[in-house]
Amino acid sequence: DAGVIQSPRHEVTEMGQEVTLRCKPISGHDYLFWYRQTMMRGLELLIYFNNNVPIDDSGMPEDRFSAKMPNASFSTLKIQPSEPRDSAVYFCASSPGANVLTFGAGSRLTVL
Amino acid sequence: QQQVKQSPQSLIVQKGGISIINCAYENTAFDYFPWYQQFPGKGPALLIAIRPDVSEKKEGRFTISFNKSAKQFSLHIMDSQPGDSATYFCAPSGTGNQFYFGTGTSLTVIP
Repeated sequence: DAGVIQSPRHEVTEMGQEVTLRCKPISGHDYLFWYRQTMMRGLELLIYFNNNVPIDDSGMPEDRFSAKMPNASFSTLKIQPSEPRDSAVYFCASSPGANVLTFGAGSRLTVL
Repeated sequence: QQQVKQSPQSLIVQKGGISIINCAYENTAFDYFPWYQQFPGKGPALLIAIRPDVSEKKEGRFTISFNKSAKQFSLHIMDSQPGDSATYFCAPSGTGNQFYFGTGTSLTVIP
């Protein structure tokens, strides 16, 4: 298996623009997580899905953030409009049973 | 998301020394206690994990010690090597599916 695949790996955008991050989980994993990592706040859980259904989105910082999982093999995290404080590394992870998480390589977002 | 408290924040160890990282948690429903290792530019990866029915688990140079009554578990790295230099996270989970990571410990092993 190719592991958890995230795209893009790097994104530089200007404040106010829409940003879409993509994730392909490992086949057969029924849990999918989105995390944000910054020096100041560490690894923050934003939202997680079970069988494509959002279970806990209490970590989503604002209404500017939204996440979808239209099918078992694809998820998106969207920020609209983006702000400089959204600059971070965003990780997607998947799990077969809500214990061991396998992370992707991350998407580094820079908002100017 | 202060479900877990990790210490120290950073650690510098000489090659061959022992590295010890601690994690304290609050939720008694946790039943899975992993440590993740993250190298720069990569995502965290599972290093070692323990269930609460045992007090210690060893895999090579890495050992988890678990103290249920104190609600703490720790990672011990024996014979630390420069290649162990990374950031380490605890991430206990369990009923209710809580997936909060500790604040991380940056380990530097000096040759």
